[in-house]
Amino acid sequence: SSELTQDPAVSVALGQTVRITCQGDNLRNFHATWYQQRPGQAPLLVIFGNNNRPSGIPDRFSGSSSGNTASLTITGAQAEDEADYYCNSRDSSGKHLVVFGGGTKLTVL
Amino acid sequence: QLQLQESGPGLVKPSETLSLTCSVSGGFIGSTTYYWGWIRQPPGKGLEWIGSVFYTGSSYYNPSLKSRVSMSVDTSKNQFSLKLSSVTAADTAVYYCARHADRGDFYMDVWGRGTTVKVSS
Repeated sequence: SSELTQDPAVSVALGQTVRITCQGDNLRNFHATWYQQRPGQAPLLVIFGNNNRPSGIPDRFSGSSSGNTASLTITGAQAEDEADYYCNSRDSSGKHLVVFGGGTKLTVL
Repeated sequence: QLQLQESGPGLVKPSETLSLTCSVSGGFIGSTTYYWGWIRQPPGKGLEWIGSVFYTGSSYYNPSLKSRVSMSVDTSKNQFSLKLSSVTAADTAVYYCARHADRGDFYMDVWGRGTTVKVSS
C-alpha cells in the first residue's frame, strides 16, 4: 500500500497565488490527480495526468511535481475556489488500486 | 454527457449488507477504456476509495475493505453495484460512484452526486 500526505488547511488572499501539496513515495512513479470539493457537493476533477485540465476548469489551476511531491497551484485565487482539495494516485503496487490524500481545506480571505 | 446516479437504501442495520447501484446514462458501461467504482466519505472526513470493476467483472478493492466488499456490472442495464457486508456505524458515509479512467494514471473523471447511507438499528 502507500500513503499521500496533504496539509490540513491553507489560506490565500483573494487574487493571490496558492500552492497545495501532496507527498508520497508512489508519486515518484505516478502522477497525482487533483479534485475540488465544495461543501455539500461531489468531488470535481480539476487536474489529471500531472498538469491537464478537463474542459471547463479555469486555467488558473495548474499541476506540477518534483520527486515525491505533487502540487496544485491556483494563480489568482477567486472566492469560488474556497473548497476542499484532494489528491490521489495509483497505489505503489502499480495495480488498479487507488490511494487518496487526506485533503486540504482552502480558505480564500 | 455522461451521468452517474447512485441509488439504494439510506438506512442499513448493523451486521447487515449495504447494497447500492449506480446507473450510467449518456455512455456505455461496456467501454474498454474505463473502470467503474465507488468512493465514500464519512461525515466530516476525507475521501476513501472502496474499489473498482471492469465491464468484464474484473475487480479491485481497497485492501482494508476487501474481505467485506464485492462489485459487479450489469451491461444489459448499464449499471454497476456495490455490496458491503457486516456493516457497522463506521460505514456511515456518503457513497459516490465514479468512472475511473485508466491512462497510466488511474483516476475518477466523472462522479455521481452521492447517496447518504446511515448504519443504525
